[in-house]
Amino acid sequence: ETGVTQTPRHLVMGMTNKKSLKCEQHLGHNAMYWYKQSAKKPLELMFVYSLEERVENNSVPSRFSPECPNSSHLFLHLHTLQPEDSALYLCASSQKGVTGPGETQYFGPGTRLLVL
Amino acid sequence: DQQVKQNSPSLSVQEGRISILNCDYTNSMFDYFLWYKKYPAEGPTFLISISSIKDKNEDGRFTVFLNKSAKHLSLHIVPSQPGDSAVYFCAASLIQGAQKLVFGQGTRLTINP
Repeated sequence: ETGVTQTPRHLVMGMTNKKSLKCEQHLGHNAMYWYKQSAKKPLELMFVYSLEERVENNSVPSRFSPECPNSSHLFLHLHTLQPEDSALYLCASSQKGVTGPGETQYFGPGTRLLVL
Repeated sequence: DQQVKQNSPSLSVQEGRISILNCDYTNSMFDYFLWYKKYPAEGPTFLISISSIKDKNEDGRFTVFLNKSAKHLSLHIVPSQPGDSAVYFCAASLIQGAQKLVFGQGTRLTINP
């Protein structure tokens, strides 16, 4: 596997379900991100993990719970979601510590989530 | 308040001609700008970037221009090819502890044979 992988690629869940999205990066990076892309809207940053510590929580509801057990893996735990949470969820990674501007984020293919 | 704007939701260009995609931003603290390309059912793919200390960066058929005084950047693709048909996002970067990327809404580029 190369780059950033995400599983599952598609997920349908009811509002009472609990599910998890998984992201794995094979780039040796030390920062990982969750983004949400809703229809007709720009990508929105949800969470940032740097060196396995959460450094950003962009006012995301608590029904989304991230977990970063190591620098290669990132999870997004979902529970009691609402239909408006249906969206494409994208994971990205980057290498922090690049000298000067130039930190590029690389994205996975995303998980298309539908909440019924 | 949208800090990064791509005002053209779509653009259609003839194969072999130049495609020009535009992006405007409002925050003068952004110091690094990126263009991503996205095909349906795939994640965004990094295309090209530019630091705020430069005004031009070129990579093969792709050139990004940055006009800091106008807070405007553009992506030029020449010659355009059918495989370039995709949605293009510009993003601006701010380092505040962690990096924050702020994305535009995207422009759908269609290359016509």
